[in-house]
Amino acid sequence: KQEVTQIPAALSVPEGENLVLNCSFTDSAIYNLQWFRQDPGKGLTSLLLIQSSQREQTSGRLNASLDKSSGRSTLYIAASQPGDSATYLCAVVAGNQFYFGTGTSLTVIP
Amino acid sequence: DAGVIQSPRHEVTEMGQEVTLRCKPISGHDYLFWYRQTMMRGLELLIYFNNNVPIDDSGMPEDRFSAKMPNASFSTLKIQPSEPRDSAVYFCASSLAPERQYFGAGTRLSVL
Repeated sequence: KQEVTQIPAALSVPEGENLVLNCSFTDSAIYNLQWFRQDPGKGLTSLLLIQSSQREQTSGRLNASLDKSSGRSTLYIAASQPGDSATYLCAVVAGNQFYFGTGTSLTVIP
Repeated sequence: DAGVIQSPRHEVTEMGQEVTLRCKPISGHDYLFWYRQTMMRGLELLIYFNNNVPIDDSGMPEDRFSAKMPNASFSTLKIQPSEPRDSAVYFCASSLAPERQYFGAGTRLSVL
């Protein structure tokens, strides 16, 4: 069974810092990988989707990379802002199943 | 479009009662997903539908849980009888393809 792990569980950084969130998965046979953002009391918002054939995707200050062979993905956030404070989850799709990590809670301090 | 609409937003009930959660997907989306989120287990996929047909219900925890999608614009998740361990936030999501899912705001269920 696919297991998805996110480290760290929580992260606090000063505004303006660049940061990296990590996601690892145990089975490299994935269809795609997504990064989501969840604000308190809200549902998930899709940030980036990387197909299994791709290595990275970029959207604004966000860049996500995928290394299937090592079972890892990273989400890079440049010039962090207080509005980036949220929980970030990664999810892999494999064999018609969806597997979510438990998330990294990010706090950006003004 | 108003996005995925879930109701109620909050539900408090007593153990043993029947609970029905409702979801209206985004118009035109042909996939619908039900998730449960808890602190202990994170986000878990319970069941998903394609064109109103259940595709995979392997995540449904037990027979007390059932889900239906009678038409393209409505789905329900029912728990009967409810138990305190069912307390969680239940999310519904819809999409045109399995990848790009749009989530509702969730229903926070408390079973006393």
